[in-house]
Amino acid sequence: GNSVTQMEGPVTLSEEAFLTINCTYTATGYPSLFWYVQYPGEGLQLLLKATKADDKGSNKGFEATYRKETTSFHLEKGSVQVSDSAVYFCALSDQSGAQKLVFGQGTRLTINP
Amino acid sequence: DTAVSQTPKYLVTQMGNDKSIKCEQNLGHDTMYWYKQDSKKFLKIMFSYNNKELIINETVPNRFSPKSPDKAHLNLHINSLELGDSAVYFCASSPRYTGELFFGEGSRLTVL
Repeated sequence: GNSVTQMEGPVTLSEEAFLTINCTYTATGYPSLFWYVQYPGEGLQLLLKATKADDKGSNKGFEATYRKETTSFHLEKGSVQVSDSAVYFCALSDQSGAQKLVFGQGTRLTINP
Repeated sequence: DTAVSQTPKYLVTQMGNDKSIKCEQNLGHDTMYWYKQDSKKFLKIMFSYNNKELIINETVPNRFSPKSPDKAHLNLHINSLELGDSAVYFCASSPRYTGELFFGEGSRLTVL
């Protein structure tokens, strides 16, 4: 079945560091790919998405490119801030008609000042 | 004005009890979901409704019974609570199916 694998956390960085959170997927067909973010005590929010190969999603300085050849959708940001501390989830849409998102296990990110 | 609201936010109860969590969305979306997030933050879909019709039931024990009285509401009732039911339960909605889910703040259930 469809699945998403993210890099193990937690990840701790200093402010202004470069961030990469790896995400790879297994899917049949051509899923859409998403990154969601969960700030402490809140529900998940959509951060960015890409619906087809080579698409780049971007938002709030974060970017991710849909790479079909490597089945990856890595999240990057050039200069992180303390306010980026959160749990990040990679997800893919199930194209079987069942209309559901499959999430990775989440990566906790902590940014120190 | 909260888009997806869940009540209660916290619930502490004894094993064997029955409890309900309510969810309402004011976004006009057709599809609503219940997700369970365990202590390791892993998120798993439980149910999905589209216009009050059940479309996903992910091998959830039948102690869990969702009810959708109208497309703006999706409630979750749990019978005979067990320790393993302790988790954060998230309600979400989406417009048709775009993959963009709008989540509530979650309901933390603790079973003692």
